[in-house]
Amino acid sequence: GAGVSQSPRYKVAKRGQDVALRCDPISGHVSLFWYQQALGQGPEFLTYFQNEAQLDKSGLPSDRFFAERPEGSVSTLKIQRTQQEDSAVYLCASSHGVRSYEQYFGPGTRLTVT
Amino acid sequence: QQQVKQSPQSLIVQKGGISIINCAYENTAFDYFPWYQQFPGKGPALLIAIRPDVSEKKEGRFTISFNKSAKQFSLHIMDSQPGDSATYFCAADYGQNFVFGPGTRLSVLP
Repeated sequence: GAGVSQSPRYKVAKRGQDVALRCDPISGHVSLFWYQQALGQGPEFLTYFQNEAQLDKSGLPSDRFFAERPEGSVSTLKIQRTQQEDSAVYLCASSHGVRSYEQYFGPGTRLTVT
Repeated sequence: QQQVKQSPQSLIVQKGGISIINCAYENTAFDYFPWYQQFPGKGPALLIAIRPDVSEKKEGRFTISFNKSAKQFSLHIMDSQPGDSATYFCAADYGQNFVFGPGTRLSVLP
């Protein structure tokens, strides 16, 4: 079937604007993860959903970051009052089971805050 | 304790050679160690993974060697090809999420 898709692929926001990033996981995948990848670095964990429940949000850098997955499929990562340090690629991944083995990643959304 | 260290930062190999990337971890609770390959503008793609009860796993040209006592694991790419030129990330997992290494940029010269 189709892989993980993310939209938009690129987003430019002015400092202070709110942005919303969308993730469509592989159909039927229970677990969904968001990661932040700074230029030249490995992905860093932001948050984890098991179906619609957000079980871990320990990686969210501030209360400006908010994620939801209301129906247990599509997820949205929202960043309020964007700052320049938020510029990064935001990756979404999904896995079939309740643990994080065999995560399949989307292409990412590159966010640039000017 | 949640860190995964990775070396080298960059690697240049001749076509047909062996590429070796090393990773080390501290947290003994980690129980799954995947390697991901990432091309520019793309998301990471799972290459191969190993669990700590196995010392080696081979899939095609890719082999993971795992040393549980030393808390180290490595990726070997045999017969490296120019198409293998990408960034490689090791990761470690304890059921909640992955902790990624900083990545190794591999260039395979034709």
